[in-house]
Amino acid sequence: AQTVTQSQPEMSVQEAETVTLSCTYDTSENNYYLFWYKQPPSRQMILVIRQEAYKQQNATENRFSVNFQKAAKSFSLKISDSQLGDTAMYFCAFDGPGGGNKLTFGTGTQLKVEL
Amino acid sequence: EAQVTQNPRYLITVTGKKLTVTCSQNMNHEYMSWYRQDPGLGLRQIYYSMNVEVTDKGDVPEGYKVSRKEKRNFPLILESPSPNQTSLYFCASSFLWDSNRLGYNEQFFGPGTRLTVL
Repeated sequence: AQTVTQSQPEMSVQEAETVTLSCTYDTSENNYYLFWYKQPPSRQMILVIRQEAYKQQNATENRFSVNFQKAAKSFSLKISDSQLGDTAMYFCAFDGPGGGNKLTFGTGTQLKVEL
Repeated sequence: EAQVTQNPRYLITVTGKKLTVTCSQNMNHEYMSWYRQDPGLGLRQIYYSMNVEVTDKGDVPEGYKVSRKEKRNFPLILESPSPNQTSLYFCASSFLWDSNRLGYNEQFFGPGTRLTVL
């Protein structure tokens, strides 16, 4: 069974600064997908970024980028130029090959962006 | 618009009073699932379905039932709710993994249902 660990329950960052959220996981799979989801106060689950395990290149989406270290089973999220709208709960998640499988989530990191 | 809908969005009920939370998707997805979200625990899967009349337990199925009589609908049933089922519930859907289907089958989430059992 897969496990996903987020060791930072809460974090804060100043507006316009950069922050990194940590995630580690454990799996015996070779092909899989990793995600960061954002959950703002509206509670909607919003996909921020996806990483395919077979790709060595780290995924980026505008101000969001990941540092994927497959051997270390580490998957951190970097948010650059933080904005007030980035305040949210962030979940790291794992999915097996191809999708359409159970998502395994971490416990979440509550990020607060401050003025 | 492609979406997953859930009803109700908010529900306060009492112990033992049967309730159903509906989930519907309009994307012709085979795979549907229910998660519950609790503080400090993240989201955990309750039940999932890989197609009509095919359902199976997830990680935390106790106290819940589901059915999949139609492809688009996947209701979550609490026959006798208890306070420990107070939680935020999400329905999600996606295409099922198929080696002939290229790309990743993204899972789409509903807006969530906040359930309080007194």
